[in-house]
Amino acid sequence: AQTVTQSQPEMSVQEAETVTLSCTYDTSESDYYLFWYKQPPSRQMILVIRQEAYKQQNATENRFSVNFQKAAKSFSLKISDSQLGDAAMYFCAYRSSYGQNFVFGPGTRLSVLP
Amino acid sequence: GAVVSQHPSWVICKSGTSVKIECRSLDFQATTMFWYRQFPKQSLMLMATSNEGSKATYEQGVEKDKFLINHASLTLSTLTVTSAHPEDSSFYICSAKRGGPSTDTQYFGPGTRLTVL
Repeated sequence: AQTVTQSQPEMSVQEAETVTLSCTYDTSESDYYLFWYKQPPSRQMILVIRQEAYKQQNATENRFSVNFQKAAKSFSLKISDSQLGDAAMYFCAYRSSYGQNFVFGPGTRLSVLP
Repeated sequence: GAVVSQHPSWVICKSGTSVKIECRSLDFQATTMFWYRQFPKQSLMLMATSNEGSKATYEQGVEKDKFLINHASLTLSTLTVTSAHPEDSSFYICSAKRGGPSTDTQYFGPGTRLTVL
């Protein structure tokens, strides 16, 4: 079974600064998808970024980018120019290419300091 | 973008009663929907996979008779918590898979907070 680990229960960053959230996973599969989801106080899950394992190029979405290291099974999220609205729980998630459900990590609570 | 709704958003019930939570895909057909449970300050845990027209597949440790799932149409899946008890209090989130086997786009509902007194 796949597992996802986020070793940082809480992180904080100064507004306008950069922060990196860590995620590692364990799988025996070669083809899969990785995601970062944001869950603000409203509890609505919001997709931040996704990465296909077969793509070597790291995904980017505006201020959000990932460092995908397939051999190391690492998938970190970098948030640049942090904004107050970035404060939320961030979940790293894994999904098989053929399976359908997500496997979520325990989450990292990000605080953004003004 | 695609929208998934859940109703109700918040429900309070007495111990021993049953509660039904609806998950709807508003602008697409969802052959598969997933139900997750999230305890306070914890992550989302998959409870069951709901396929239209067939029985749901439950994860290990999830009681089928307690958490009844029905996926009667391509846009609606329901989760009924039967004989609810305080330990069932949690946040329940559904997600809906859009498209066929070759696609992998899913959308989450806003969640339902269940409080059992």
